[in-house]
Amino acid sequence: GAVVSQHPSWVICKSGTSVKIECRSLDFQATTMFWYRQFPKQSLMLMATSNEGSKATYEQGVEKDKFLINHASLTLSTLTVTSAHPEDSSFYICSARRQMSYEQYFGPGTRLTVT
Amino acid sequence: DQQVKQNSPSLSVQEGRISILNCDYTNSMFDYFLWYKKYPAEGPTFLISISSIKDKNEDGRFTVFLNKSAKHLSLHIVPSQPGDSAVYFCAAGGMGWGKFQFGAGTQVVVTP
Repeated sequence: GAVVSQHPSWVICKSGTSVKIECRSLDFQATTMFWYRQFPKQSLMLMATSNEGSKATYEQGVEKDKFLINHASLTLSTLTVTSAHPEDSSFYICSARRQMSYEQYFGPGTRLTVT
Repeated sequence: DQQVKQNSPSLSVQEGRISILNCDYTNSMFDYFLWYKKYPAEGPTFLISISSIKDKNEDGRFTVFLNKSAKHLSLHIVPSQPGDSAVYFCAAGGMGWGKFQFGAGTQVVVTP
């Protein structure tokens, strides 16, 4: 149990376009999902907390108009990188938290490359 | 401001020996702690957790120790196996918040 998937696993896009990344909890309901970004050889940086049915809470320094998060159901959250630029190239990872639990279960990550 | 620190970026240990990974935190409000293991180009895998009401939690080969007064936790892996070679992250947070801050990770290499 506690499987989280992400789609796509990697994506290459041109500068100025938008990219949507999906995060799904496959075998449990997740009231809360988190989006992280990881730079090479660096820690996971929390970008935002997404609660089902409500607006996402963004961490300081994260542009909410650039990184659009939608958590439409208990099993799906999406991150859309709008007007992508090369500096947005990174490894994006989502996690999902079970109801009544504090452990987060991570997806396999999405490698975004903006050319 | 880095509230969770893993000061050892790498650790090399012989197969069969004990691996000890350390993590320090600065926020006294943190009351729940997690350890994750990560392979390259994959998402982290949950290993073990501990709440602030305990000072030790054990699960198989993995034991986490918490020293609240020192704001320090450690992960012991014994015996270490080649499959344990990975990056290990500690994470700290507050139960009331639900979100966690991650350390920079420690790369563990288990040698034969």
